[in-house]
Amino acid sequence: AQTVTQSQPEMSVQEAETVTLSCTYDTSESDYYLFWYKQPPSRQMILVIRQEAYKQQNATENRFSVNFQKAAKSFSLKISDSQLGDAAMYFCAYRSANGGAQKLVFGQGTRLTINP
Amino acid sequence: ETGVTQTPRHLVMGMTNKKSLKCEQHLGHNAMYWYKQSAKKPLELMFVYSLEERVENNSVPSRFSPECPNSSHLFLHLHTLQPEDSALYLCASSQVRKREGYTFGSGTRLTVV
Repeated sequence: AQTVTQSQPEMSVQEAETVTLSCTYDTSESDYYLFWYKQPPSRQMILVIRQEAYKQQNATENRFSVNFQKAAKSFSLKISDSQLGDAAMYFCAYRSANGGAQKLVFGQGTRLTINP
Repeated sequence: ETGVTQTPRHLVMGMTNKKSLKCEQHLGHNAMYWYKQSAKKPLELMFVYSLEERVENNSVPSRFSPECPNSSHLFLHLHTLQPEDSALYLCASSQVRKREGYTFGSGTRLTVV
């Protein structure tokens, strides 16, 4: 079974600075997807960024980018120019590319605090 | 209305009550999911419904009963719950075999007293 591990329960960063959230995963599959979700106090999980395992190029979405190391099974999220609205729980998630209704497997989450 | 809508937003129920959580998606997706989010624990997949399969997490107690009458609606029927069932229950939907992730609702905060 696949597992996802986020080793940082909490992180903090100064506004406008850069922060990196860590994620590692374990799988025997070669084709899969990785995601970072954000959960603000409103509780709704919001997709931040997605990475296909077959793509070597790291995904980027505005201030958010990932460092995807397939051999190391590592998938970190970098947030540049941190803003107060970035404060939230961040979850790393894995999904197989095989099968029918592919199930998302989540890490434990990292609570990110932005200091003004 | 678009996206995934969950009702009620908050629910307090006694251990002898019967209640239901409702989820509705307006995205044309063909798979829906129930997740349980407890403090300091990873999100736990409870049930999956899609055109092709219904998948249950065998560790989910029988006091939780899902119902999916069509591809747009998903219910979670609750009866004789325990205080440890208090959690945030999240519904999500997706399009099977597409590379996108899930779209989540805002959840129902359940408190069992």
